[in-house]
Amino acid sequence: KNEVEQSPQNLTAQEGEFITINCSYSVGISALHWLQQHPGGGIVSLFMLSSGKKKHGRLIATINIQEKHSSLHITASHPRDSAVYICAVRSFYGGSQGNLIFGKGTKLSVKP
Amino acid sequence: DTEVTQTPKHLVMGMTNKKSLKCEQHMGHRAMYWYKQKAKKPPELMFVYSYEKLSINESVPSRFSPECPNSSLLNLHLHALQPEDSALYLCASSQVPSGGVMETQYFGPGTRLLVL
Repeated sequence: KNEVEQSPQNLTAQEGEFITINCSYSVGISALHWLQQHPGGGIVSLFMLSSGKKKHGRLIATINIQEKHSSLHITASHPRDSAVYICAVRSFYGGSQGNLIFGKGTKLSVKP
Repeated sequence: DTEVTQTPKHLVMGMTNKKSLKCEQHMGHRAMYWYKQKAKKPPELMFVYSYEKLSINESVPSRFSPECPNSSLLNLHLHALQPEDSALYLCASSQVPSGGVMETQYFGPGTRLLVL
């Protein structure tokens, strides 16, 4: 079993739909990251969370430390949101030097 | 400036070639990372440099040789690679993680490497 599990693996949505991507993890963490990777390869860090909720534009990220679960929500989705969304955690036990554990990613396609 | 730059963007090399990948950031970050990413897989950590010293080597073959000549630059020297080394190589940087201090990793666009 992977230490970081994402669901769904693939997601197709119509423009304007509300989207939720889920991430569950099985290790103790100090931080959880949501990353966005476009087909060209570059990765953008969207959020870094250790508790509660963060919002940036149409993106909202929440984390429940007790349940070891995080969600990324996209409101009013748009075709330009099409990308792979990756959840990554920094484990307490992965050393102190930024040892991120990555989920396998969720590939999102938003159709016009 | 929150940018991490990587050169070249694309690289094709033969198994006997020697080449280098370069990464640069001017955010004052003292932790820099090399990741390897195969198609449709998440990135895999290869190396971590902290204060210009190698702190993590994730059992990477010696045909990959990292170098951190100063706090802004990170190189990955490649020699005698195999076709299975073809991948996207991503560089990232962050503040040095310590204790409860969180950090955001900033990623470069990657170098897409093809080994023939």
